[in-house]
Amino acid sequence: SYVLTQPPSVSVAPGQTARITCGGNTLGSKSVHWYQQKPGQAPVPVVYYDSDRPSGIPERFSGSKSGNTATLTISRVEAGDEADFYCQVWDSSSILSWVFGGGTRLTVL
Amino acid sequence: EVQLVESGGGLIQPGGSLRLSCVVSGLTVRNNYMTWVRQAPGKGLEWVSALYIGDVAFYAESVKGRFTISRHKFENTVYLQMSSLTAEDTAMYYCARLDSAGPGAFDTWGQGTMVTVSS
Repeated sequence: SYVLTQPPSVSVAPGQTARITCGGNTLGSKSVHWYQQKPGQAPVPVVYYDSDRPSGIPERFSGSKSGNTATLTISRVEAGDEADFYCQVWDSSSILSWVFGGGTRLTVL
Repeated sequence: EVQLVESGGGLIQPGGSLRLSCVVSGLTVRNNYMTWVRQAPGKGLEWVSALYIGDVAFYAESVKGRFTISRHKFENTVYLQMSSLTAEDTAMYYCARLDSAGPGAFDTWGQGTMVTVSS
């Protein structure tokens, strides 16, 4: 089955830039989506299809991809951005499935 | 505004069965790709099942043969029938819609319903 790899944690000071990576074999040929999940809440999409931002998501959130690594970048980090972030792809290579990365806890120092 | 409201969770003994419901407003279930995603306590997200337009169903290997996704024929509701439950099925279960462009991304989520499998 397809595997997405994320760092367990990322820490950043307020006002700085946070970068959360997501790696996977042949990720360059897949569309990557990102979700933010705050404690006790449902996930919220923050980036679709590698770099599109859903309506209502601040421009501080952006997505990119290079080769087999996707990156979620959060500029001018705020205390309220502290959450778990998950990358996700749709894998149609063998058995149709939707795959999530293990998640990254963003801590705002 | 699209809303998904899950219900049906609770405490169930190992080996038991449970049916989760997801009542949807703001869109028509039969014209959308609907899914269930779960999250075990303190763990990450895991896709469970998807129901495509035309009632084609897909399942994660971990639940195949035990879970069944379906929709109400006349009401705007999606179900997840779960059987032969084990402690590993203990999780918050979210109903989510897949975006129609892909369908690759989960663009709308409910608040979830908790399932606890324990004796």
